[in-house]
Amino acid sequence: KAGVTQTPRYLIKTRGQQVTLSCSPISGHRSVSWYQQTPGQGLQFLFEYFSETQRNKGNFPGRFSGRQFSNSRSEMNVSTLELGDSALYLCASSLGSVAGADTQYFGPGTRLTVL
Amino acid sequence: QKEVEQNSGPLSVPEGAIASLNCTYSDRGSQSFFWYRQYSGKSPELIMFIYSNGDKEDGRFTAQLNKASQYVSLLIRDSQPSDSATYLCAVKFLGFSGGGADGLTFGKGTHLIIQP
Repeated sequence: KAGVTQTPRYLIKTRGQQVTLSCSPISGHRSVSWYQQTPGQGLQFLFEYFSETQRNKGNFPGRFSGRQFSNSRSEMNVSTLELGDSALYLCASSLGSVAGADTQYFGPGTRLTVL
Repeated sequence: QKEVEQNSGPLSVPEGAIASLNCTYSDRGSQSFFWYRQYSGKSPELIMFIYSNGDKEDGRFTAQLNKASQYVSLLIRDSQPSDSATYLCAVKFLGFSGGGADGLTFGKGTHLIIQP
């Protein structure tokens, strides 16, 4: 079974621009979660999509948004980029069960650099 | 406030010994607990999960959970140089919106070095 894929793997943008990242989950997984990883803050939860609806949201500004399509693929958008948005953006997919150990599997990540 | 605490290390362990990694969490409304391994420049890789008090073994790995003490640990037996990585503890807390559990809250990880 193919794993979680993310595109692009690397991205360089300048301040003020916007960016869209893509994530394709493991086949059969309906939940996609997005995380930001930086050396200072570690891994932080952005949001989760399940069945095309945002189910949970972390503590990030509205510049960070996402969506999910009917095939469970998800996109994340960051508008008006700031230098502090430079990070590794990870998506993780899971079956989406709200009970018990709903295991998340991570994609390889998108390394975003904002200049 | 949901917090997950880990000693950042580095934790240095000789090859063949037992490596013990610890994690504490702040919220008693926690649901499940996960250990991930992350090599430098790579994404986190799931090692195992646990959600009941006690021990859970999987090969050379044993996860231990004590909900009363809000403590979860990972033991790695017969440590190998290839086990050198950052180990991330993650907790799924129950959501307050009624929509189910929130996203995973991660500790900042413990950097483990296995010395040959």
